[in-house]
Amino acid sequence: QSVLTQPPSASGAPGQRVTISCSGSSSNIGRNHVFWYQQVPGTAPKLLIYTNDQRPSGVPDRFSGSKSGTSASLAISGLRSGDEADYYCTAWDDSLGGFVFGPGTNVGVL
Amino acid sequence: QVTLRESGPALVKPTQTVTLTCTFSGFSLTTRGMCVSWIRQPPGKALEWLALIDWDGDKYYSKSLKTRLTVSKDTSKNQVVLRLTNMDPVDTATYYCARLKYGSVSYEELDYWGQGILVTVSS
Repeated sequence: QSVLTQPPSASGAPGQRVTISCSGSSSNIGRNHVFWYQQVPGTAPKLLIYTNDQRPSGVPDRFSGSKSGTSASLAISGLRSGDEADYYCTAWDDSLGGFVFGPGTNVGVL
Repeated sequence: QVTLRESGPALVKPTQTVTLTCTFSGFSLTTRGMCVSWIRQPPGKALEWLALIDWDGDKYYSKSLKTRLTVSKDTSKNQVVLRLTNMDPVDTATYYCARLKYGSVSYEELDYWGQGILVTVSS
């Protein structure tokens, strides 16, 4: 059972906007930065969002992150078939003394 | 260019100890703020954070696996080694190493990942 909570799946038509939530607690998201990773099946995860809302070089601005209190969210706008993947949120947990990952959200494009 | 590559046995028997090596290039573990972390993923399941070691030699472990994990580094070889004792079939997973950066007050993003190595535990 994950310390962070994410919906198991999300989907949308091409061009639509999809939002994925990530819920935590005061010991993780409430105190520390949130990071998002994208994992296409069969490949290693890729950093998508760092420090709550920052995009690494090369990540399209269709991807955006936000954080409020003990929750965070990832939004994908202008959905494309290439966005089909699993998305994981993570944060450092002060109580556990380590990183915690969400269970992942599988995004599908209808 | 930052690269990381995991190596080790693909198959181990129950109760054995597995030793995995992460060989990296493009950065140094002697540079302040640089760290290496290990993450695993059982087939069809979610990512699970395991351990990290930083430039200063500080180490952190998953609370649930702490008694079985050891992480170490060899800065001269640009390698980080993970040892997991008493392997069980539930430890069957793809094991990844990744570069981790330390920010102003805490550990931050895993910005470069290795391709992963599948370790199967079976008799």
